[in-house]
Amino acid sequence: AQSVTQLGSHVSVSEGALVLLRCNYSSSVPPYLFWYVQYPNQGLQLLLKYTSAATLVKGINGFEAEFKKSETSFHLTKPSAHMSDAAEYFCAVSRSNDYKLSFGAGTTVTVRA
Amino acid sequence: EAEVAQSPRYKITEKSQAVAFWCDPISGHATLYWYRQILGQGPELLVQFQDESVVDDSQLPKDRFSAERLKGVDSTLKIQPAELGDSAMYLCASTLQPNTEAFFGQGTRLTVV
Repeated sequence: AQSVTQLGSHVSVSEGALVLLRCNYSSSVPPYLFWYVQYPNQGLQLLLKYTSAATLVKGINGFEAEFKKSETSFHLTKPSAHMSDAAEYFCAVSRSNDYKLSFGAGTTVTVRA
Repeated sequence: EAEVAQSPRYKITEKSQAVAFWCDPISGHATLYWYRQILGQGPELLVQFQDESVVDDSQLPKDRFSAERLKGVDSTLKIQPAELGDSAMYLCASTLQPNTEAFFGQGTRLTVV
């Protein structure tokens, strides 16, 4: 079985500050890992995907994530938060290279002016 | 820009009634997924289609839920009878191939009263 745990259901940051969203996974096989963003009443948009090609994955909108096998983590970061980053973020895992995904519970990000 | 179309966007139904949601994937996308997202949780996979065939419906509550994709293009998800616990956002996603990026629709928000 595979699952993800997102630490912290809510994160509040100041505009221009570092955004750090934590995700830990459990998987019996090397996983494929994803980060998605969801704006209110919208579908999900892929930020980035880890497929074992490189441990540091760069995504859209200035986000990146680092795969750390020893820590079973895939934390998402952005150096400088923008007001438009306010949204809900989901970490997800797939055992195979498809989009049959198991999602975490999500982290809501608010950005303070 | 091509997108996954879902309708209706919002649906209110009484418990024990039947309800149906429709999804039209991006043209040419062979793989289609239905996810259910309960408020405050991450999406959970209900069913996966490859063309007109069901690949995985292990998480679909088959006593009340059904899904079809008769011609391998658009898809319908039905609930009969609806229960209060079915209140959620129902998301459809499609991919060109199983290992290419999944694009999500805006979802149908169901409220069962």
